[in-house]
Amino acid sequence: GAGVSQSPSNKVTEKGKDVELRCDPISGHTALYWYRQSLGQGLEFLIYFQGNSAPDKSGLPSDRFSAERTGGSVSTLTIQRTQQEDSAVYLCASSPDRGKGYEQYFGPGTRLTVT
Amino acid sequence: GDSVTQMEGPVTLSEEAFLTINCTYTATGYPSLFWYVQYPGEGLQLLLKATKADDKGSNKGFEATYRKETTSFHLEKGSVQVSDSAVYFCALAKSGSARQLTFGSGTQLTVLP
Repeated sequence: GAGVSQSPSNKVTEKGKDVELRCDPISGHTALYWYRQSLGQGLEFLIYFQGNSAPDKSGLPSDRFSAERTGGSVSTLTIQRTQQEDSAVYLCASSPDRGKGYEQYFGPGTRLTVT
Repeated sequence: GDSVTQMEGPVTLSEEAFLTINCTYTATGYPSLFWYVQYPGEGLQLLLKATKADDKGSNKGFEATYRKETTSFHLEKGSVQVSDSAVYFCALAKSGSARQLTFGSGTQLTVLP
């Protein structure tokens, strides 16, 4: 079946611009995660959605970062007023219901470059 | 807070050599432990996992045993192949409402023919 998809695969933006990154999870997966992979910080958790519950935003690095998940499926990560330190690969992962199994399936990522 | 420390890379081995990549963790409670692999140009894939002490995860000839007494989850393979060249990440997930992963820094493995 289809895996997690992310778009765009690459994004180059100028400092100060806003960007939106999209994630389509595996159909039926209730949990969705965003991570960031950067040279200096490795792989970091950003935000977690589980069903219709309030998201866990504890990993977001600043208030310039936000995310939403519409209809329990597609998610969008928005970065406002981008800075050069936001350059990284943004990974999305989804997981079946946490009570039954928590293996996370990752998408290919969006490589963000802020110039 | 929780953390994962894994062997610094890069690691270069000849084909059919024995592989060990060390991983230790710090966490309260009883986390689940994972090894993920990232092949060149591809996304992260789960390689194996263990959910409680003394469990052994295995897949594709790789093995790792959850050792609570030493807080370790070392990855081993008896005979590596060129196709095993990739970056390997050790990770943990705590029990609780959000099972986000805490990753180690990754170890680049290159296997030469």
